[in-house]
Amino acid sequence: NAGVTQTPKFRVLKTGQSMTLLCAQDMNHEYMYWYRQDPGMGLRLIHYSVGEGTTAKGEVPDGYNVSRLKKQNFLLGLESAAPSQTSVYFCASSYSGGYTGELFFGEGSRLTVL
Amino acid sequence: SQKIEQNSEALNIQEGKTATLTCNYTNYSPAYLQWYRQDPGRGPVFLLLIRENEKEKRKERLKVTFDTTLKQSLFHITASQPADSATYLCALHLNYQLIWGAGTKLIIKP
Repeated sequence: NAGVTQTPKFRVLKTGQSMTLLCAQDMNHEYMYWYRQDPGMGLRLIHYSVGEGTTAKGEVPDGYNVSRLKKQNFLLGLESAAPSQTSVYFCASSYSGGYTGELFFGEGSRLTVL
Repeated sequence: SQKIEQNSEALNIQEGKTATLTCNYTNYSPAYLQWYRQDPGRGPVFLLLIRENEKEKRKERLKVTFDTTLKQSLFHITASQPADSATYLCALHLNYQLIWGAGTKLIIKP
């Protein structure tokens, strides 16, 4: 099993450009999450999904949009990238809500916005 | 506001000794607490989950304690090995989400 796969792994954008990060999981998990990780800070939740067709805002949702059209995929979009969105983005999935079950993470997508 | 503190300075431990990492929290009463390991350039990997009614949990060389009175969790690695070198993250349950500490970097010296 591949687990959680994120693409792309690296990307450089100019301010104002748009892009989509793709997350795919093959574990049939209901819950999926997008986090960002910045130096000296804990992982911060951007958006999450509790099932196909549903999404919800996390702690830092501004400037991001998400979609979960298929159970196995969770897309994170940046419509107009800003330098403050330079970060490492992690997708995760879990069988149940993360408060009772472990999260499985992808390898991360490093985004630089110039 | 909720606050989770992990030692920001790297912890250097001699191989074979026990490494102890701390996770402190304030203004909060979590029902669950999780510990993860993160290697450079990789995603976090789940290690242990402990519930508020469990004082201690073990898995091989790992032990986690959870003191809701002190608002603290301790993570122990016994007989530490250089391969245990990594950043260790704690995460607490709040309103159906996990709140994460910034992590402590552990370095095991041969």
